[in-house]
Amino acid sequence: DAGVTQSPTHLIKTRGQQVTLRCSPKSGHDTVSWYQQALGQGPQFIFQYYEEEERQRGNFPDRFSGHQFPNYSSELNVNALLLGDSALYLCASSLQTGNYGYTFGSGTRLTVV
Amino acid sequence: GENVGLHLPTLSVQEGDNSIINCAYSNSASDYFIWYKQESGKGPQFIIDIRSNMDKRQGQRVTVLLNKTVKHLSLQIAATQPGDSAVYFCAEIGGSQGNLIFGKGTKLSVKP
Repeated sequence: DAGVTQSPTHLIKTRGQQVTLRCSPKSGHDTVSWYQQALGQGPQFIFQYYEEEERQRGNFPDRFSGHQFPNYSSELNVNALLLGDSALYLCASSLQTGNYGYTFGSGTRLTVV
Repeated sequence: GENVGLHLPTLSVQEGDNSIINCAYSNSASDYFIWYKQESGKGPQFIIDIRSNMDKRQGQRVTVLLNKTVKHLSLQIAATQPGDSAVYFCAEIGGSQGNLIFGKGTKLSVKP
């Protein structure tokens, strides 16, 4: 039974570019949350998707957007990349009616140069 | 691999000793707390959780203590092993929000 899978594992982008990160949730999970983890920091909540809609959002600008597909997989898009967007982006899946049983992927390391 | 431990507080213990990692949480309305372990190059891994109506919960080699009066959590690891070396985060969920709010991590280093 596959856990949460994220792609790509590493990515290098130039300032001003756009990036799309992908996440496949754990089998049986219907909710996907995205987190940004800067080096030496704890993960920060970006947003959560359920039923193909953004349900909650953290304190991130509109440059950060997402999507959830009918198969529950999700994408995180970041436009107009800044150097400060360099971080590990984590996807966590869960069951909406479950008791907060989050499963995390290994993340995508984004470097903006 | 990913060095998630850079600039974090570090706890260094001898193999076989007990470890205690502390965490202060932010929201007095939070009703659910989780400890995660994060190894280099990996995402956070669930260790143990506790609800606000409890003050102690035990797992295999791990115990979580919750003090709501001072908004403090601790994770105790018995007989610490080299495989326990990682960064440990506490996280809270509370109120109407279902998202995790992570605390500052602690890097645990186990000396053989």
